[in-house]
Amino acid sequence: ELKVEQNPLFLSMQEGKNYTIYCNYSTTSDRLYWYRQDPGKSLESLFVLLSNGAVKQEGRLMASLDTKARLSTLHITAAVHDLSATYFCAGLTGTASKLTFGTGTRLQVTL
Amino acid sequence: DAGVTQSPTHLIKTRGQQVTLRCSPKSGHDTVSWYQQALGQGPQFIFQYYEEEERQRGNFPDRFSGHQFPNYSSELNVNALLLGDSALYLCASSSPDRAGYTFGSGTRLTVV
Repeated sequence: ELKVEQNPLFLSMQEGKNYTIYCNYSTTSDRLYWYRQDPGKSLESLFVLLSNGAVKQEGRLMASLDTKARLSTLHITAAVHDLSATYFCAGLTGTASKLTFGTGTRLQVTL
Repeated sequence: DAGVTQSPTHLIKTRGQQVTLRCSPKSGHDTVSWYQQALGQGPQFIFQYYEEEERQRGNFPDRFSGHQFPNYSSELNVNALLLGDSALYLCASSSPDRAGYTFGSGTRLTVV
């Protein structure tokens, strides 16, 4: 069964600095997703990574996937306060395409 | 184009009661999955419905059941509510190619 681990669990970031969130998964995953969740809100889709070496960028966020290492990273460039939220990675497995989520990384950007 | 719609938004129930949550998928999506998200945790897969049948189930007891209708909308039923069932329940719909999953805004269930 797929297990997904994220680290760190909590990240206090200074505005303007660069940081990386790591997502390790235990077995082969068909796809890797990144989501953002604001407090009390639902999940907003950020990226879908389909294959080894995939890299996607949107604004200050860049996600990459290394299937051989079973590792995905979410890199934040020049953090701003608006990026404060909880970020989840999730792997997709099985014929029913079940999403298995990591524990989440709570990001707090301070001045 | 409406996204995934869930109702109700919030719900307070007493232990032992039964609850029904509803979900309308995004237009063009035929598959509906339900997730439970306890406070401070990641969402946990409950089950998935496709062609009106339960296709896969997570580690949830039989108190959790569901249904999918011909128009692809879905219901999640929870019987004999426990305090531990208090959570945000998320519905996600997906298209046949499973390229993306769209989540609804969720139903916040509080069991007292």
